[in-house]
Amino acid sequence: ETGVTQTPRHLVMGMTNKKSLKCEQHLGHNAMYWYKQSAKKPLELMFVYNFKEQTENNSVPSRFSPECPNSSHLFLHLHTLQPEDSALYLCASSQDTSGGAGSETQYFGPGTRLLVL
Amino acid sequence: DQQVKQNSPSLSVQEGRISILNCDYTNSMFDYFLWYKKYPAEGPTFLISISSIKDKNEDGRFTVFLNKSAKHLSLHIVPSQPGDSAVYFCAARNTGTASKLTFGTGTRLQVTL
Repeated sequence: ETGVTQTPRHLVMGMTNKKSLKCEQHLGHNAMYWYKQSAKKPLELMFVYNFKEQTENNSVPSRFSPECPNSSHLFLHLHTLQPEDSALYLCASSQDTSGGAGSETQYFGPGTRLLVL
Repeated sequence: DQQVKQNSPSLSVQEGRISILNCDYTNSMFDYFLWYKKYPAEGPTFLISISSIKDKNEDGRFTVFLNKSAKHLSLHIVPSQPGDSAVYFCAARNTGTASKLTFGTGTRLQVTL
């Protein structure tokens, strides 16, 4: 496996379900990100982790709960979601969040398309 | 307030011709810009980037131009190929908030035979 992988690729869940999205990066990076992409909207940054520590929570509702057990893995735990949370959820990684040379580019996984009924 | 704008939602270009995708930004603190390409059912793929200290960066058929005074950048693809048909996203970064990329809404490029 190379790059950034995400599972599952598609998920349908009811509003009372609990599910988790998984992301794994094989690039040796230290920073990982969750983004949400809704139809006709730009990608929205949700969470940032750098060296396993959360460094940014972009005012995301608590029904989304991230977890980063190590620099290679990132989870997004979902519970009591709303239909408007239906979207494409993208994971990305970068060297780190230092802003230095080599850290500028984020590499994305294929995404999980989520439908909340 | 959208800080990165791609005002053309779609563009159709004939194979072999030049494709020009445009992006405007409002935040003068942005100092690094990236273009991503996205095929259906895949995540965005990094294509090319440019630092604000440059006004041009070239990589094969892809060239990005930056006009800081106009807060405008463009991606040129020449010659365009059918495999270039995808959605192209412009993104910008402010070194002060290095982890945050601000994306445009994307332009769908269709390269026709």
